[in-house]
Amino acid sequence: QKEVEQNSGPLSVPEGAIASLNCTYSDRGSQSFFWYRQYSGKSPELIMSIYSNGDKEDGRFTAQLNKASQYVSLLIRDSQPSDSATYLCAASFYFGTGTSLTVIP
Amino acid sequence: DAGVIQSPRHEVTEMGQEVTLRCKPISGHNSLFWYRQTMMRGLELLIYFNNNVPIDDSGMPEDRFSAKMPNASFSTLKIQPSEPRDSAVYFCASRWRGEQFFGPGTRLTVL
Repeated sequence: QKEVEQNSGPLSVPEGAIASLNCTYSDRGSQSFFWYRQYSGKSPELIMSIYSNGDKEDGRFTAQLNKASQYVSLLIRDSQPSDSATYLCAASFYFGTGTSLTVIP
Repeated sequence: DAGVIQSPRHEVTEMGQEVTLRCKPISGHNSLFWYRQTMMRGLELLIYFNNNVPIDDSGMPEDRFSAKMPNASFSTLKIQPSEPRDSAVYFCASRWRGEQFFGPGTRLTVL
Protein backbone atom coordinates (compact mmCIF):
# COMPACT_ATOMS: atom_id res chain seq x y z
CA GLN A 1 0.00 0.00 0.00
CA LYS A 2 1.05 3.58 -0.53
CA GLU A 3 2.69 4.82 2.66
CA VAL A 4 1.47 7.83 4.60
CA GLU A 5 3.43 8.76 7.72
CA GLN A 6 2.23 11.02 10.50
CA ASN A 7 3.91 12.29 13.65
CA SER A 8 2.36 9.86 16.06
CA GLY A 9 2.00 12.20 19.01
CA PRO A 10 0.18 12.34 21.25
CA LEU A 11 0.10 16.12 20.93
CA SER A 12 -1.15 18.35 23.74
CA VAL A 13 -1.75 22.08 23.38
CA PRO A 14 -3.42 24.62 25.68
CA GLU A 15 -6.76 26.09 24.70
CA GLY A 16 -6.33 28.99 22.30
CA ALA A 17 -2.95 27.81 20.98
CA ILE A 18 -2.04 26.65 17.48
CA ALA A 19 -1.88 22.91 16.90
CA SER A 20 0.39 21.72 14.10
CA LEU A 21 -0.03 18.29 12.53
CA ASN A 22 2.30 16.89 9.89
CA CYS A 23 2.23 14.15 7.30
CA THR A 24 4.47 12.78 4.55
CA TYR A 25 3.52 10.45 1.72
CA SER A 26 5.47 8.10 -0.51
CA ASP A 27 3.52 8.09 -3.79
CA ARG A 28 4.62 11.03 -5.96
CA GLY A 29 1.62 10.35 -8.22
CA SER A 30 -0.88 11.29 -5.49
CA GLN A 31 -3.03 14.24 -6.55
CA SER A 32 -5.49 14.63 -3.69
CA PHE A 33 -4.90 15.02 0.01
CA PHE A 34 -7.26 15.05 2.93
CA TRP A 35 -7.44 15.58 6.67
CA TYR A 36 -10.03 13.67 8.65
CA ARG A 37 -10.97 14.02 12.28
CA GLN A 38 -11.98 10.96 14.29
CA TYR A 39 -13.49 11.14 17.73
CA SER A 40 -13.11 8.10 19.96
CA GLY A 41 -15.55 5.39 18.95
CA LYS A 42 -16.73 7.29 15.87
CA SER A 43 -15.99 7.17 12.17
CA PRO A 44 -13.59 9.54 10.39
CA GLU A 45 -15.11 12.77 9.12
CA LEU A 46 -13.60 14.97 6.43
CA ILE A 47 -12.44 18.40 7.58
CA MET A 48 -10.10 19.58 4.81
CA SER A 49 -9.13 18.66 1.27
CA ILE A 50 -6.24 20.11 -0.73
CA TYR A 51 -5.19 19.42 -4.29
CA SER A 52 -2.55 22.01 -5.23
CA ASN A 53 0.64 23.36 -3.68
CA GLY A 54 0.24 26.10 -1.13
CA ASP A 55 -2.19 26.89 1.63
CA LYS A 56 -5.92 26.41 1.91
CA GLU A 57 -7.82 28.02 4.76
CA ASP A 58 -11.24 27.13 6.12
CA GLY A 59 -12.19 28.88 9.32
CA ARG A 60 -9.70 27.94 12.03
CA PHE A 61 -8.12 25.25 9.84
CA THR A 62 -5.30 25.71 7.33
CA ALA A 63 -3.98 22.88 5.20
CA GLN A 64 -0.59 23.18 3.51
CA LEU A 65 0.71 21.06 0.65
CA ASN A 66 4.24 20.79 -0.75
CA LYS A 67 4.34 18.18 -3.48
CA ALA A 68 8.09 18.55 -4.05
CA SER A 69 8.72 17.58 -0.44
CA GLN A 70 5.75 15.17 -0.37
CA TYR A 71 4.53 16.91 2.73
CA VAL A 72 1.10 17.89 4.01
CA SER A 73 0.28 19.73 7.19
CA LEU A 74 -2.74 20.95 9.12
CA LEU A 75 -2.77 23.96 11.41
CA ILE A 76 -5.59 24.48 13.87
CA ARG A 77 -5.73 28.04 15.21
CA ASP A 78 -7.40 29.01 18.48
CA SER A 79 -7.60 25.35 19.50
CA GLN A 80 -10.69 24.36 21.47
CA PRO A 81 -11.29 21.38 23.77
CA SER A 82 -13.78 20.13 21.17
CA ASP A 83 -10.84 19.75 18.75
CA SER A 84 -9.49 16.92 20.91
CA ALA A 85 -9.55 13.91 18.59
CA THR A 86 -7.35 11.80 16.34
CA TYR A 87 -6.45 13.47 13.03
CA LEU A 88 -5.90 11.27 10.02
CA CYS A 89 -3.97 12.34 6.96
CA ALA A 90 -4.82 10.70 3.61
CA ALA A 91 -3.13 10.75 0.23
CA SER A 92 -5.92 9.79 -2.13
CA PHE A 93 -7.55 6.97 -0.16
CA TYR A 94 -4.49 5.75 1.75
CA PHE A 95 -4.35 6.81 5.38
CA GLY A 96 -1.71 7.44 8.00
CA THR A 97 -2.06 5.97 11.47
CA GLY A 98 -3.24 9.27 12.92
CA THR A 99 -2.09 11.85 15.45
CA SER A 100 -3.93 12.14 18.74
CA LEU A 101 -4.55 15.76 19.77
CA THR A 102 -5.62 16.89 23.23
CA VAL A 103 -6.54 20.52 23.84
CA ILE A 104 -6.19 21.38 27.52
CA PRO A 105 -8.72 23.89 28.90
CA ASP B 1 -29.64 11.15 2.60
CA ALA B 2 -29.01 8.80 5.51
CA GLY B 3 -25.30 8.53 4.79
CA VAL B 4 -23.40 5.29 4.44
CA ILE B 5 -25.18 2.48 6.25
CA GLN B 6 -23.40 -0.51 7.74
CA SER B 7 -24.72 -3.58 9.47
CA PRO B 8 -24.35 -5.08 11.93
CA ARG B 9 -22.86 -2.39 14.18
CA HIS B 10 -21.41 -5.00 16.51
CA GLU B 11 -20.61 -8.65 15.87
CA VAL B 12 -19.24 -11.17 18.33
CA THR B 13 -18.45 -14.58 16.95
CA GLU B 14 -16.31 -17.59 17.65
CA MET B 15 -13.19 -18.57 15.81
CA GLY B 16 -13.96 -20.55 12.68
CA GLN B 17 -17.37 -19.01 12.06
CA GLU B 18 -18.31 -17.13 8.92
CA VAL B 19 -18.86 -13.39 9.28
CA THR B 20 -20.63 -11.18 6.74
CA LEU B 21 -20.52 -7.40 6.97
CA ARG B 22 -22.88 -5.28 4.90
CA CYS B 23 -22.72 -1.78 3.46
CA LYS B 24 -25.11 0.51 1.62
CA PRO B 25 -23.28 3.49 0.06
CA ILE B 26 -24.70 6.94 -0.44
CA SER B 27 -26.90 7.01 -3.50
CA GLY B 28 -25.07 8.35 -6.55
CA HIS B 29 -21.57 7.65 -5.22
CA ASN B 30 -19.75 5.43 -7.69
CA SER B 31 -16.81 4.26 -5.55
CA LEU B 32 -16.93 2.09 -2.46
CA PHE B 33 -14.13 1.24 -0.07
CA TRP B 34 -13.68 -1.30 2.74
CA TYR B 35 -11.22 -0.48 5.52
CA ARG B 36 -10.09 -2.20 8.70
CA GLN B 37 -8.96 -0.17 11.71
CA THR B 38 -6.87 -1.41 14.63
CA MET B 39 -4.75 0.41 17.17
CA MET B 40 -1.60 -1.20 15.88
CA ARG B 41 -2.07 -0.78 12.12
CA GLY B 42 -4.40 2.19 11.85
CA LEU B 43 -6.87 2.45 8.96
CA GLU B 44 -5.95 -0.12 6.31
CA LEU B 45 -7.52 -0.21 2.86
CA LEU B 46 -8.77 -3.71 2.11
CA ILE B 47 -10.49 -3.33 -1.28
CA TYR B 48 -12.25 -0.72 -3.39
CA PHE B 49 -14.81 -0.80 -6.18
CA ASN B 50 -15.54 1.65 -8.99
CA ASN B 51 -18.97 1.28 -10.59
CA ASN B 52 -19.40 -2.06 -8.79
CA VAL B 53 -16.15 -3.48 -10.23
CA PRO B 54 -13.30 -4.44 -7.84
CA ILE B 55 -10.29 -2.31 -8.75
CA ASP B 56 -7.69 -3.09 -6.10
CA ASP B 57 -7.92 -5.92 -3.59
CA SER B 58 -4.22 -6.01 -2.71
CA GLY B 59 -5.04 -5.04 0.84
CA MET B 60 -7.18 -8.09 1.50
CA PRO B 61 -5.19 -10.02 4.11
CA GLU B 62 -5.66 -13.49 2.71
CA ASP B 63 -8.07 -15.82 0.97
CA ARG B 64 -10.29 -15.94 4.02
CA PHE B 65 -11.50 -12.47 3.07
CA SER B 66 -13.78 -11.81 0.11
CA ALA B 67 -15.87 -8.83 -0.99
CA LYS B 68 -18.67 -8.38 -3.48
CA MET B 69 -20.69 -5.52 -4.87
CA PRO B 70 -23.61 -7.01 -6.79
CA ASN B 71 -25.18 -3.60 -7.46
CA ALA B 72 -24.62 0.10 -6.87
CA SER B 73 -26.43 0.10 -3.55
CA PHE B 74 -25.00 -2.89 -1.72
CA SER B 75 -21.68 -4.49 -0.82
CA THR B 76 -20.58 -7.30 1.46
CA LEU B 77 -17.29 -8.23 3.12
CA LYS B 78 -17.08 -11.85 4.17
CA ILE B 79 -14.57 -13.56 6.42
CA GLN B 80 -14.55 -17.34 6.38
CA PRO B 81 -13.27 -18.81 8.63
CA SER B 82 -12.82 -16.00 11.11
CA GLU B 83 -9.82 -15.82 13.48
CA PRO B 84 -9.18 -13.79 16.65
CA ARG B 85 -6.67 -11.58 14.79
CA ASP B 86 -9.53 -10.39 12.56
CA SER B 87 -10.97 -8.49 15.53
CA ALA B 88 -11.13 -4.83 14.48
CA VAL B 89 -13.51 -2.09 13.39
CA TYR B 90 -14.45 -2.45 9.74
CA PHE B 91 -15.48 0.71 7.90
CA CYS B 92 -17.19 1.12 4.59
CA ALA B 93 -16.86 4.42 2.74
CA SER B 94 -18.30 5.80 -0.47
CA ARG B 95 -16.70 8.53 -2.53
CA TRP B 96 -18.00 11.53 -4.45
CA ARG B 97 -15.64 13.88 -6.31
CA GLY B 98 -12.62 12.57 -4.44
CA GLU B 99 -14.08 12.96 -0.96
CA GLN B 100 -14.88 9.91 1.11
CA PHE B 101 -17.82 9.54 3.45
CA PHE B 102 -17.54 6.85 6.09
CA GLY B 103 -20.19 4.65 7.60
CA PRO B 104 -20.42 4.15 11.37
CA GLY B 105 -18.36 0.95 11.23
CA THR B 106 -18.83 -2.63 12.39
CA ARG B 107 -16.96 -3.64 15.53
CA LEU B 108 -16.00 -7.29 15.08
CA THR B 109 -14.83 -9.44 17.96
CA VAL B 110 -13.69 -12.98 17.23
CA LEU B 111 -13.32 -15.11 20.36
